Amino acid sequence: DAGVTQSPTHLIKTRGQQVTLRCSPKSGHDTVSWYQQALGQGPQFIFQYYEEEERQRGNFPDRFSGHQFPNYSSELNVNALLLGDSALYLCASSLGDYDTDTQYFGPGTRLTVL
Amino acid sequence: AQTVTQSQPEMSVQEAETVTLSCTYDTSESDYYLFWYKQPPSRQMILVIRQEAYKQQNATENRFSVNFQKAAKSFSLKISDSQLGDAAMYFCAYSLGTGANSKLTFGKGITLSVRP
Repeated sequence: DAGVTQSPTHLIKTRGQQVTLRCSPKSGHDTVSWYQQALGQGPQFIFQYYEEEERQRGNFPDRFSGHQFPNYSSELNVNALLLGDSALYLCASSLGDYDTDTQYFGPGTRLTVL
Repeated sequence: AQTVTQSQPEMSVQEAETVTLSCTYDTSESDYYLFWYKQPPSRQMILVIRQEAYKQQNATENRFSVNFQKAAKSFSLKISDSQLGDAAMYFCAYSLGTGANSKLTFGKGITLSVRP
């Protein structure tokens, strides 16, 4: 049973650039959530995708956008990168509107902005 | 807005001993879910245990158990017979439930070290 996968593992960008992170959900899951985890902090919710639409969003600027594909995989895009965007980006998958509220996490993508 | 507070930044436990990690939360809702996640140095966030607020019985998963005090809005994690592999950062998290309410709100985490 394939778990949540994310790519790339690490990424280094410079200020002002754009970045795309990718996530494949756990087998059978249809909902993908993205979180930002700054060093030494708990993850912060960015947004969630379900049925290819953004279902809810946290307190993040419009520079953060996403997409979900028909196979339920997802992308997180960040434009005009700032130094403060350096963080671990976690993807979590779950099963839509069904019983489970439990989210399963991928290993994350470490983004460094120079 | 819901908040989750973990006031102890670090804790240490002797191998084979028991340790309790504290968490408090603030919410005006009556139905919600609480979680403990473990994040080892490998960064993978692993679900340790979950508790549904409408259930009075405390959840247990092998060596892990919780003390859920709904009125006090307290949700502590007890690790029995601590093992070296338990060393990690532990996060307490809250969600309102399924679907559109399933986003997780995390505390700042606590670093647990296990002494051999």
